[in-house]
Amino acid sequence: AQSVTQPDIHITVSEGASLELRCNYSYGATPYLFWYVQSPGQGLQLLLKYFSGDTLVQGIKGFEAEFKRSQSSFNLRKPSVHWSDAAEYFCAVASSYSGGGADGLTFGKGTHLIIQP
Amino acid sequence: EAGVAQSPRYKIIEKRQSVAFWCNPISGHATLYWYQQILGQGPKLLIQFQNNGVVDDSQLPKDRFSAERLKGVDSTLKIQPAKLEDSAVYLCASSLIAQTGANSPLHFGNGTRLTVT
Repeated sequence: AQSVTQPDIHITVSEGASLELRCNYSYGATPYLFWYVQSPGQGLQLLLKYFSGDTLVQGIKGFEAEFKRSQSSFNLRKPSVHWSDAAEYFCAVASSYSGGGADGLTFGKGTHLIIQP
Repeated sequence: EAGVAQSPRYKIIEKRQSVAFWCNPISGHATLYWYQQILGQGPKLLIQFQNNGVVDDSQLPKDRFSAERLKGVDSTLKIQPAKLEDSAVYLCASSLIAQTGANSPLHFGNGTRLTVT
């Protein structure tokens, strides 16, 4: 079964500083990988996704993530954070087979990002 | 385009009572998901519909939870009777096709926050 580990429950970063949120996955085949952001009282918004090809993927709001198969990781990065980036961030994995069938996402427990002024 | 609509936003009930949540997916989206998000955790898939058929309900506690999508559009999730541990945010999501692929990301609603006392 697939699983996702986000080792950092909370991360505090100063505004303007760089950010890296860690994500490790467990899946036997080539995974589909996602990062979502959730602001308080809101649903989840997709930041970026990886399916194949270039292992460095660009997303919205200036975020990027790098897929490293050897490390089973898909870490999220941003060179300079803004106060509005404070939120909960979730890494997720989906199976990569085609043809329909069960395809729901498996989420990590999330990382709470706090931005210091 | 209009997003995924969910109602109510909040619900407070006593244990052993019944409750129902409603979801209207994005127009034209064939696949609909219900997720349960307990405080401090990532969302967990409860059930996945493809049109009006169930694709995956392996994690749905069927002794108390039920869901339907009779006309392949909107869906209801019911809990009867509720337990204290059912307190969570219930998220509905939809996608164009079953496969969570490059052209079919999940779109989430804002969720229904259930408190069971």
